[in-house]
Amino acid sequence: GAVVSQHPSRVICKSGTSVKIECRSLDFQATTMFWYRQFPKQSLMLMATSNEGSKATYEQGVEKDKFLINHASLTLSTLTVTSAHPEDSSFYICSARDGTGLGTDTQYFGPGTRLTVL
Amino acid sequence: GENVEQHPSTLSVQEGDSAVIKCTYSDSASNYFPWYKQELGKGPQLIIDIRSNVGEKKDQRIAVTLNKTAKHFSLHITETQPEDSAVYFCAASGGFQKLVFGTGTRLLVSP
Repeated sequence: GAVVSQHPSRVICKSGTSVKIECRSLDFQATTMFWYRQFPKQSLMLMATSNEGSKATYEQGVEKDKFLINHASLTLSTLTVTSAHPEDSSFYICSARDGTGLGTDTQYFGPGTRLTVL
Repeated sequence: GENVEQHPSTLSVQEGDSAVIKCTYSDSASNYFPWYKQELGKGPQLIIDIRSNVGEKKDQRIAVTLNKTAKHFSLHITETQPEDSAVYFCAASGGFQKLVFGTGTRLLVSP
């Protein structure tokens, strides 16, 4: 149980284009999903917290107009990197928290999406 | 806010030896402490977690201990195997708050 998928696993795009990454909880309902960014040999950096049916909460320094997050259902959240530039190249990882249990706060992570902007 | 420190940054052991990774946290309100294993090019995988109402938890070769007074928790891996080689992250959070991650420990188990 507690499987989170991401699509695509890797994407290469040209500078200036937009890229959408999907995050799905496959066997549980995720009232909250999180988006992280990870640079090589570094820890995970939280970008934003996404609650189903409401606006995402962005961490300090993360541009909300550049990283658009939509949590339209209890099993799907999307991250759109708009007008991507080479400095946006990174490993993007989502996680989902099961909101239907009794006080559970365990986060399950997706496999990640490698974004390369040329 | 919460701050999590993790040591060591790299750890090399021989197959069969034990490995210990230590983390300290700053916020006494934190009550949930998971450990994740991340293999190259993959997302983090939850391997064990502990909540503040217990001092130790064990799952086969993996155990986690928590000292709330000192605000530190540790991951213990016994009888290490080459497939245990990966980067391990500790994290802390208070209730339904966001996870704050440590800087990671690269574990290398040599045959």
